Amino acid sequence: SAVISQKPSRDICQRGTSLTIQCQVDSQVTMMFWYRQQPGQSLTLIATANQGSEATYESGFVIDKFPISRPNLTFSTLTVSNMSPEDSSIYLCSVDTSNTGELFFGEGSRLTVL
Amino acid sequence: GENVEQHPSTLSVQEGDSAVIKCTYSDSASNYFPWYKQELGKGPQLIIDIRSNVGEKKDQRIAVTLNKTAKHFSLHITETQPEDSAVYFCAAFGNEKLTFGTGTRLTIIP
Repeated sequence: SAVISQKPSRDICQRGTSLTIQCQVDSQVTMMFWYRQQPGQSLTLIATANQGSEATYESGFVIDKFPISRPNLTFSTLTVSNMSPEDSSIYLCSVDTSNTGELFFGEGSRLTVL
Repeated sequence: GENVEQHPSTLSVQEGDSAVIKCTYSDSASNYFPWYKQELGKGPQLIIDIRSNVGEKKDQRIAVTLNKTAKHFSLHITETQPEDSAVYFCAAFGNEKLTFGTGTRLTIIP
């Protein structure tokens, strides 16, 4: 397993601004993922962030809107850029400690855009 | 890509009764099927999983079954308790990605 800490846990932002979410893991992991969970919905993969390479984005998500950094094996950030109310969601960081698909999740960052 | 369907979307059962949630997947290459429980305001928590070389797995009151031929898997919770109330997600892992079902809101009625 892994202990995953996300910051901020929640925030209220103004339209047009950007917010960076931090994800810290208590152990070194190769595979890290960012998910979005819109209100009352399931989890949708935004991108895979592996250390030492560019993040890989899923269909419907682009780097200009959701830039990701992965400077080392225990840390990653996701930025939500030029926010609109439609970006109001929970953003979740997850890690695969054994490269087998067994993902552990942080508590999420609940973002409200006004 | 993988498509995971989950039913029912909501489920209410009397405390002590059993609950069953069913999922189907589309990609025969998927080989790992976890179940997550998400309580209000928290991240998803892995509660049980099964790999494609196994047909059934049990952990106390929770069990999961897998039918590879039919591409469906199910979560069974017996002797339900109020603390089982939550949203449950199934998922399928293939091509290095985990795809989630749409979720089931389980309510245990005291």
